[in-house]
Amino acid sequence: ETVMTQSPATLSVSPGERATLSCRASQSVSSKLAWYQQRPGQAPRLLIYGASTRATGIPARFSGSGSGTEFTLTISSLQSEDFAIYYCQQYNDWPPTFGGGTKVEIK
Amino acid sequence: QVQLQESGPGLVKPSETLSLTCTVSGDSISYYYWSWIRQPAGKGLEWIGRIYVSGSTNYNPSLKSRVTMSLDTSRNQFSLKLRSVTAADTAVYYCARENGDYVVDSWGQGTLVTVSS
Repeated sequence: ETVMTQSPATLSVSPGERATLSCRASQSVSSKLAWYQQRPGQAPRLLIYGASTRATGIPARFSGSGSGTEFTLTISSLQSEDFAIYYCQQYNDWPPTFGGGTKVEIK
Repeated sequence: QVQLQESGPGLVKPSETLSLTCTVSGDSISYYYWSWIRQPAGKGLEWIGRIYVSGSTNYNPSLKSRVTMSLDTSRNQFSLKLRSVTAADTAVYYCARENGDYVVDSWGQGTLVTVSS
């Protein structure tokens, strides 16, 4: 099973600033990496798949990069609705596995 | 726009079977793959398994011995059964639609299942 590790666990950012979240895989997952956003009390929402492709309706301030074992989600200018927990997920092998999440909180 | 809604008991006794159903509207379950994912309180997400209209299933090896998924095309529903539950199975259970490549593009709102006597 591929283990996904996210860092940092918590990221404190001021509105309007840039946020950079990291995700590392225990073995190569190629570009089969997705990012999800989960707001309190809500189900996750797909942001990015294929490491860098934004899902339908996702604002351009969200971008993903990386391949192999190292991935990054960047939020270029944080809006109030972006304060949430973000999960990465690999889908290169079965079972798909998620990282432990990064909580983006207001500084 | 597809909508998914989980239903089932919110409380299950230890050693019994957890049973949940997901009702899909706005899309036919004859397309796509349909999955169950769970999230213990304050923790991360765990993929339980998925099913396709053909009846083909994939289960997480960690749960495979206790899981059965099925679907009912006439009702546009799919279901999860998890046997011999313990407190460790307490979680919010989500049903989800995925694109065939294990990317989830639609989620139910989630239902909390507590395992307790």
